[in-house]
Amino acid sequence: DVVMTQSPLSLPVTLGQAASISCRSSQSLVNTDGDTCLMWLQQRPGQSPRRLIYKVSNRDSGVPDRFSGSGSGTDFTLKIGRVEAEDVGIYYCMQHAHWPHTFGQGTKLEIK
Amino acid sequence: EVHLVESGGGLVHPGGSLRLACAASGFTSSSFWMSWVRQAPGKGLEWAAHINPDGGDKYYVDSVKGRFTISRDNAENSLLLQMSGLRGEDTAVYYCVAWGQLDNYWGQGTLVTVSS
Repeated sequence: DVVMTQSPLSLPVTLGQAASISCRSSQSLVNTDGDTCLMWLQQRPGQSPRRLIYKVSNRDSGVPDRFSGSGSGTDFTLKIGRVEAEDVGIYYCMQHAHWPHTFGQGTKLEIK
Repeated sequence: EVHLVESGGGLVHPGGSLRLACAASGFTSSSFWMSWVRQAPGKGLEWAAHINPDGGDKYYVDSVKGRFTISRDNAENSLLLQMSGLRGEDTAVYYCVAWGQLDNYWGQGTLVTVSS
């Protein structure tokens, strides 16, 4: 199975400051169509997860533009430009290039 | 408005069976890949089972192969998960998820507890 490794696992951030989460995969996430199958999800406390970013860098509808994704191959990053209180939660990267689709361990973002 | 509503969770003894259902509304679910993603208490996310739009392709994580069966009824806009041989490690919230190129929808989840 493809192992997804996130860092850090805990991310205390001051309101208004930037934050960055790294995700590394054990294999390339490029599929046969040439797409890179990496997405980012957010799970706020007590809520279901929701997708923020798909195909590395595409924001889902309604996602603030302070969220951005980047990376290629096996190395990916989620950046939050200026953290707001509503960003508290756990962030997961996920690959869907290989079955079984796998998630990172999750990064818990909290406000300092 | 889009809704995915799971049902069927509950307490079951080890070795028992449960059937989860997910009712979709507000979008054309027959065009979406659908999944069951689970989350053990206090833990991360795990993809359990996956089915393509016409129901012809199904995928399972190794830990549930032979015990879980995913299916869908596009006429009824529903997704099912038949679970048998349940184990303690199957205890989790089970989310119904619809995956589209531009859209992604999650249900609120249904809790399955396997315990004697």
